[in-house]
Amino acid sequence: NAGVTQTPKFRILKIGQSMTLQCAQDMNHNYMYWYRQDPGMGLKLIYYSVGAGITDKGEVPNGYNVSRSTTEDFPLRLELAAPSQTSVYFCASRKGQGVGELFFGEGSRLTVL
Amino acid sequence: AQSVSQHNHHVILSEAASLELGCNYSYGGTVNLFWYVQYPGQHLQLLLKYFSGDPLVKGIKGFEAEFIKSKFSFNLRKPSVQWSDTAEYFCAVNAKSSGSARQLTFGSGTQLTVLP
Repeated sequence: NAGVTQTPKFRILKIGQSMTLQCAQDMNHNYMYWYRQDPGMGLKLIYYSVGAGITDKGEVPNGYNVSRSTTEDFPLRLELAAPSQTSVYFCASRKGQGVGELFFGEGSRLTVL
Repeated sequence: AQSVSQHNHHVILSEAASLELGCNYSYGGTVNLFWYVQYPGQHLQLLLKYFSGDPLVKGIKGFEAEFIKSKFSFNLRKPSVQWSDTAEYFCAVNAKSSGSARQLTFGSGTQLTVLP
């Protein structure tokens, strides 16, 4: 199994551009998450989804949007990129509520100049 | 809402030294607790987890952690560290009930550097 797959691994954006970070999992997990990781700040939850068609905001949702049209995919969209969105983004999944560990993707390093 | 505190931001040890990383959480109900490790340039991997039962849990690579409910703590330990343990360590908590059960909350992380 591939687990959680994120693309792209690296991307440089100009201020005001938009892009989508892709995330796919093949473990039939219901719950999917997007985190951003900044030095010394740990992981902050951006958005999460408990199943297809259901999404909810995390701690730092501003400037981002998500959708969950299928169980497998959970893309994260950045509209009007800002330097504050320079970060490493991790997608993760797990089977269900209060169940099991999170499985993480390898991360996407985004730089906004 | 749940929160996690890791008070040690950076720990430097020599090989063979013993390790203890602190983790405290705030949540009044029942929780699941985790330690994740992130090696340089890699994604987070599960080190160990506590769901219920024996409060002393053993994980991979000789790590263990003890859940002390009265202290809201879940400290990570290893008797003798190796250079290959150099990594960032994250404690995380997941409430077992209520809407916050959907979320895993992470601490800010502890960077461990082991000197050869």
